[in-house]
Amino acid sequence: DAGVTQSPTHLIKTRGQQVTLRCSPKSGHDTVSWYQQALGQGPQFIFQYYEEEERQRGNFPDRFSGHQFPNYSSELNVNALLLGDSALYLCASSQGGSGNTIYFGEGSWLTVV
Amino acid sequence: GNSVTQMEGPVTLSEEAFLTINCTYTATGYPSLFWYVQYPGEGLQLLLKATKADDKGSNKGFEATYRKETTSFHLEKGSVQVSDSAVYFCALIKMKTSYDKVIFGPGTSLSVIP
Repeated sequence: DAGVTQSPTHLIKTRGQQVTLRCSPKSGHDTVSWYQQALGQGPQFIFQYYEEEERQRGNFPDRFSGHQFPNYSSELNVNALLLGDSALYLCASSQGGSGNTIYFGEGSWLTVV
Repeated sequence: GNSVTQMEGPVTLSEEAFLTINCTYTATGYPSLFWYVQYPGEGLQLLLKATKADDKGSNKGFEATYRKETTSFHLEKGSVQVSDSAVYFCALIKMKTSYDKVIFGPGTSLSVIP
């Protein structure tokens, strides 16, 4: 049973560009959340998707957007990249929302130059 | 708002030493508490959890007890190994109101030397 899978694992972008990160949740999971982890810090919640809709959102600008597909996979899009967007982006999945174990993927390392 | 505070690192210990990483939280109601571990270059792994006051979570020799009176969830291990070198994150979830949104502490880096 595959866990949470993310792609790509590493990528480098230039300031002002746009990036799309992808996540496949653990089998049987219908809820996907995205987190940003800057170097030396704890992960910060970006947003969560459930039933193809954004259910809740953290304190991130509108440059960060996402999508969830009918198969529960998800994408995170970041527009107009800034140097400060360089971070590890983690996807987490769970089943049915509150009260169930959350599983994290290995993350996508984004470097903005 | 809800938040988690951890002791600052880095923490360096000799192999077989006793480990304590302090964690305190601020939250209304009754959150669930977690410790996650992140090995170098990897994602997050759930180490242990406790969902109500006085619960003790344990895994791989690590333990933490949910203390509501002191709002704490300190991580302990009796004898650390070199393979325990990693960053440890204390975290909480406000169940029923936040749909599995995890609030993390800043992390504590642990280095175990032979």
